Amino acid sequence: EVQLVESGGDLVQPGGSLRLSCAASGFTFSSYAMSWVRQAPGKGLEWVSAISGSGGSTYYADSVKGRFIISRDNSKNTLYVQMNSLRAEDTAVYYCAREHLTVSGTFDIWGQGTMVTVSS
Amino acid sequence: DIQMTQSPSSLSTSIGDRVTITCRASQDIRTYLSWYQHKPGEAPKVLIYDASTLETGVTSRFSGSGFGTDFTFTISSLQPEDIATYYCQQYDNLPPTFGGGTKVEIK
Repeated sequence: EVQLVESGGDLVQPGGSLRLSCAASGFTFSSYAMSWVRQAPGKGLEWVSAISGSGGSTYYADSVKGRFIISRDNSKNTLYVQMNSLRAEDTAVYYCAREHLTVSGTFDIWGQGTMVTVSS
Repeated sequence: DIQMTQSPSSLSTSIGDRVTITCRASQDIRTYLSWYQHKPGEAPKVLIYDASTLETGVTSRFSGSGFGTDFTFTISSLQPEDIATYYCQQYDNLPPTFGGGTKVEIK
């Protein structure tokens, strides 16, 4: 079964750091670009960051550029995002999502999300 | 960034009714548009991509149309399992951007 499972969400103080993980299974992980997408409480979906299948190319939303770092370990079938200098507005459920193999930019598999709360 | 404007933001309707949601892009995105269904506590699910192509395994009760800046998503006959929030998303330009969502409820 194709599956994505996020972990690492927690309560963290403003200015703090957190690393989220996304474990992939059921498909050839290295063949797919991956993204992080978040949903703040009561709000819609917001794309955060993306990484190519090889890990050689990365992309960020302006709201997280310079603070978040996306990476992947294809030997472990795992996607990561290192979140630094966290702000209250980063509070959200964070989803990892697989990019469609032939339709670049659309997301065909999503995880169930992990909650990040930034608060003192 | 390309802004995606969805309407309505919510709707209340009856089982068996036809439901139509619209999505407008702030600039031409050709047909680089997807529609997603999101139920609370679940992973979002892609229903349609390239504006009108039904994802494998998705019921034909769902359909999409449009080109350029104006798009439509339709549920031909609403079923109880269709209660969810629906989002459009453009992928013509980075960053990919989503509409604000349409919450579909039962009257």
